[in-house]
Amino acid sequence: SAVISQKPSRDICQRGTSLTIQCQVDSQVTMMFWYRQQPGQSLTLIATANQGSEATYESGFVIDKFPISRPNLTFSTLTVSNMSPEDSSIYLCSVGGGKGANTEAFFGQGTRLTVV
Amino acid sequence: AQRVTQPEKLLSVFKGAPVELKCNYSYSGSPELFWYVQYSRQRLQLLLRHISRESIKGFTADLNKGETSFHLKKPFAQEEDSAMYYCALGGSNYKLTFGKGTLLTVNP
Repeated sequence: SAVISQKPSRDICQRGTSLTIQCQVDSQVTMMFWYRQQPGQSLTLIATANQGSEATYESGFVIDKFPISRPNLTFSTLTVSNMSPEDSSIYLCSVGGGKGANTEAFFGQGTRLTVV
Repeated sequence: AQRVTQPEKLLSVFKGAPVELKCNYSYSGSPELFWYVQYSRQRLQLLLRHISRESIKGFTADLNKGETSFHLKKPFAQEEDSAMYYCALGGSNYKLTFGKGTLLTVNP
């Protein structure tokens, strides 16, 4: 299984500022994803982080608001830009396609973001 | 479009009672279904997947393509089963569509 470290685990931010969340995996993985879980809601996929190229965003999410980087096969960042209280959510990194893996996706512990 | 429906937001049972968490899906292709569980203050983790047809912690789930369902069952619930359960629909690309989740509480 893949071990995923997400930083920070939580943060309280002022509206209008930006926060960058890091996701580090202990082994090389094919796929990395970012999900959002708004209060009382399910997990919604934001985008697929592509190594060495622009991320692939799901409907309703745009690069200007959620820029994503993936410089290599073990690391990705998600930035939540120009934050508003509506961005208060848990943001989760997910990975799949590691060595020996089948179709299981693994998750980080999440970053709990509160925008005030 | 892919969709996963978990009709029960909350489910409360007594210890030793049977439990069934419902999940229905909508998918035009051949689905891969999963159940993920999140215990208090822990990360989301895979409980079981329909492909492997296994039983984990006494839980089983059978894919019923006719009813487009993948209900999670356990004959005798334990207090440590109390958690949030998510049904998810995915494919070989590891991308998942989640249901809204069911919070299971097992009372002593």
